[in-house]
Amino acid sequence: KAGVTQTPRYLIKTRGQQVTLSCSPISGHRSVSWYQQTPGQGLQFLFEYFSETQRNKGNFPGRFSGRQFSNSRSEMNVSTLELGDSALYLCASSLVPASTDTQYFGPGTRLTVL
Amino acid sequence: SQELEQSPQSLIVQEGKNLTINCTSSKTLYGLYWYKQKYGEGLIFLMMLQKGGEEKSHEKITAKLDEKKQQSSLHITASQPSHAGIYLCGADYRPNRGAGSYQLTFGKGTKLSVIP
Repeated sequence: KAGVTQTPRYLIKTRGQQVTLSCSPISGHRSVSWYQQTPGQGLQFLFEYFSETQRNKGNFPGRFSGRQFSNSRSEMNVSTLELGDSALYLCASSLVPASTDTQYFGPGTRLTVL
Repeated sequence: SQELEQSPQSLIVQEGKNLTINCTSSKTLYGLYWYKQKYGEGLIFLMMLQKGGEEKSHEKITAKLDEKKQQSSLHITASQPSHAGIYLCGADYRPNRGAGSYQLTFGKGTKLSVIP
């Protein structure tokens, strides 16, 4: 079974631009969560989608948004990029958003903002 | 202050030695996950603990959950260079488990180096 895939793997943008990252969950998984990882803050929860609905959102500004499609694939968008948005963005999928179910992570997208 | 504290922050051990990494929560835990991460890559799921006193093992890695202390420990026996990486614990703080949104709070990680 293929794992979680994320595209692109690396991205370089400049301040003020916007970016869209994509995540394809494991086949059959319907819950997708997004996390931001930086050296200073560590791994922080961005948001979670299940059945095309955002179920939970972390403490990030409105510049960070996401969506989920009917095939469970998810995208996240960051508008008006800032230098501090440089990070590794990870998505994770699980069958359902239940604590009894394990989240599996993708390899991440490394975003560099210049 | 951090809700989930990991200690130590980094660890250098000689191959063959045992080691323990701790993860302590300031809030009640309803689930505790251990992941391993190679630098700059995604997280590899190791183990999930849900009940106080629960202990799980996979190959040479054992994790325990101490409900009273709100703490989990990850123990590696006879470490090997392949064990090197960053170990992260993630906490589920939802009291109503089962259905609902999914959100893990992570510790800052423990960087493990194993010297051959």
